[in-house]
Amino acid sequence: EPEVTQTPSHQVTQMGQEVILRCVPISNHLYFYWYRQILGQKVEFLVSFYNNEISEKSEIFDDQFSVERPDGSNFTLKIRSTKLEDSAMYFCASSGTGLRQPQHFGDGTRLSIL
Amino acid sequence: DQQVKQNSPSLSVQEGRISILNCDYTNSMFDYFLWYKKYPAEGPTFLISISSIKDKNEDGRFTVFLNKSAKHLSLHIVPSQPGDSAVYFCAATLSGQNFVFGPGTRLSVLP
Repeated sequence: EPEVTQTPSHQVTQMGQEVILRCVPISNHLYFYWYRQILGQKVEFLVSFYNNEISEKSEIFDDQFSVERPDGSNFTLKIRSTKLEDSAMYFCASSGTGLRQPQHFGDGTRLSIL
Repeated sequence: DQQVKQNSPSLSVQEGRISILNCDYTNSMFDYFLWYKKYPAEGPTFLISISSIKDKNEDGRFTVFLNKSAKHLSLHIVPSQPGDSAVYFCAATLSGQNFVFGPGTRLSVLP
């Protein structure tokens, strides 16, 4: 069964540094998402991406965050200047050809900011 | 702002019995709901969904019930198996993209 893959599984970064989290969504999916889960808290929506542009974003997704689909397969989340509170599990997800479809998640990247 | 609530942080059930996980929501505009299961060190795995035009959806051992007037949904697992032990999240959306997750219920199925 096709799956969403995320790399790296664990990223350790100094505060203030830029970090890029990578995801390869399921190949025939058209909608892409990033979520995060701070330790002990809920899974929170960050952003959705469709047709090469952001279609929806939450208030968490401020100017420090950006997303990109640099080629036909990768989907990236960049945090420009990381803060301690960015430490979390970041999940990428993708869904098929329309809205209101199940989102398929990767296993996440654990981001630790020192 | 807890738009999606799962008031039971944990639940223990004997193998073979029914597991009932509950979820309440506050936004009456939500029109699509899902249940996910999550094992440690893995991402959420989709289990079952329901549209607001229905009140029940069944898939094998899993059934989701939706009570729109009470803003309540539940997931029934029958019969429960030890492999069902995981954290279960309900999620809801009104836009079809931004899914609001509940805090999760940890299910333990005892052999």
